[in-house]
Amino acid sequence: GAGVSQSPRYKVAKRGQDVALRCDPISGHVSLFWYQQALGQGPEFLTYFQNEAQLDKSGLPSDRFFAERPEGSVSTLKIQRTQQEDSAVYLCASSPRIAGGYNEQFFGPGTRLTVL
Amino acid sequence: AQKVTQAQTEISVVEKEDVTLDCVYETRDTTYYLFWYKQPPSGELVFLIRRNSFDEQNEISGRYSWNFQKSTSSFNFTITASQVVDSAVYFCALLTGSARQLTFGSGTQLTVLP
Repeated sequence: GAGVSQSPRYKVAKRGQDVALRCDPISGHVSLFWYQQALGQGPEFLTYFQNEAQLDKSGLPSDRFFAERPEGSVSTLKIQRTQQEDSAVYLCASSPRIAGGYNEQFFGPGTRLTVL
Repeated sequence: AQKVTQAQTEISVVEKEDVTLDCVYETRDTTYYLFWYKQPPSGELVFLIRRNSFDEQNEISGRYSWNFQKSTSSFNFTITASQVVDSAVYFCALLTGSARQLTFGSGTQLTVLP
């Protein structure tokens, strides 16, 4: 497919478990973003990659959250020792150019994480 | 800091009615970009429109139109002759010249009734 894909689409975890969420951006897109969307709210920024470099992780809520994009394409968002407040939809977006300015971000369908 | 406010939490209209979604933004940057996204039940955010801070010309694109007014920091979005398929959550978002990430409002749930 030509769009951003994310897997799994749904994840249920017991409190304390580690989870890994995958994002496949549009081929060739330089920029990749992760956002967290709580129920009934707008997405909130977590982190940004330019190719394989993580240039901004100011939105990560705690050190339990870790993201990587080792080869500048696929990205993984890992959450360690999940807590109930981590329950949300995690959205990935990619953009064909270096972030900033007029660049449109293309979003994936998201992964809905539920922590019991 | 940037902020986007969508005061309308939910709106319901009957099919074929026009509907306007309100958006108010805050930023100290002089260069910025405003977006509207649609989020259907499937969850994917779909890009609708984009304007930059230098261009206040309002436009119409099919059934969509927008009213950008810098004087009131508003970027309202209108759907003409609404259809049931327009039912979704609509987000207004801001991208400033100094930032990389979008700042979203809390969204407006639009329900179009047949």
